[in-house]
Amino acid sequence: GESVGLHLPTLSVQEGDNSIINCAYSNSASDYFIWYKQESGKGPQFIIDIRSNMDKRQGQRVTVLLNKTVKHLSLQIAATQPGDSAVYFCAESLNDMRFGAGTRLTVKP
Amino acid sequence: DAGVTQSPTHLIKTRGQQVTLRCSPKSGHDTVSWYQQALGQGPQFIFQYYEEEERQRGNFPDRFSGHQFPNYSSELNVNALLLGDSALYLCASSLDNRAGEQFFGPGTRLTVL
Repeated sequence: GESVGLHLPTLSVQEGDNSIINCAYSNSASDYFIWYKQESGKGPQFIIDIRSNMDKRQGQRVTVLLNKTVKHLSLQIAATQPGDSAVYFCAESLNDMRFGAGTRLTVKP
Repeated sequence: DAGVTQSPTHLIKTRGQQVTLRCSPKSGHDTVSWYQQALGQGPQFIFQYYEEEERQRGNFPDRFSGHQFPNYSSELNVNALLLGDSALYLCASSLDNRAGEQFFGPGTRLTVL
């Protein structure tokens, strides 16, 4: 079956640097994509979403890019802070929600 | 405004037992979805309830069942527990019957011995 996946399981960045977390999806019919942040002991927290009719969407310090040609999704975090350390999941939605395995982001002071 | 709440926080059961997990959605939300998250993995969709009916179901056996009440709260029941059912069970609520922007609860950590 088709699934959502991530390129890297871990990412370590210096505080203040920008972070880029990537995600590959394979269901070309998916029309809605979401990034979630999950801190230890908590449920996933919505960060930002994007619909398939868009290529880019910006939030506060975060940007999501969608490349439908290569079925790729990325999350950019500007000026990464220690509080950004968490596991980040991309998810695709058509009828249900399918999550990738996650990328652990570690921010070094 | 309370967010999504789940109970209990932690639960320990033995193989073959049955368990019921509970979820109260965010105020105003009418759709509840349940996920299973194994350690080190992303959440896996179990099923979604809307208007007290199961709308969609993921690839989970019939041992997993659920219910939604008129007040939109929901229960997840798992029968004949297996060791592999040990996981964090997450409830998420949303405003309509599409996945959309879901708000997740903190989860119930189930350990099967």
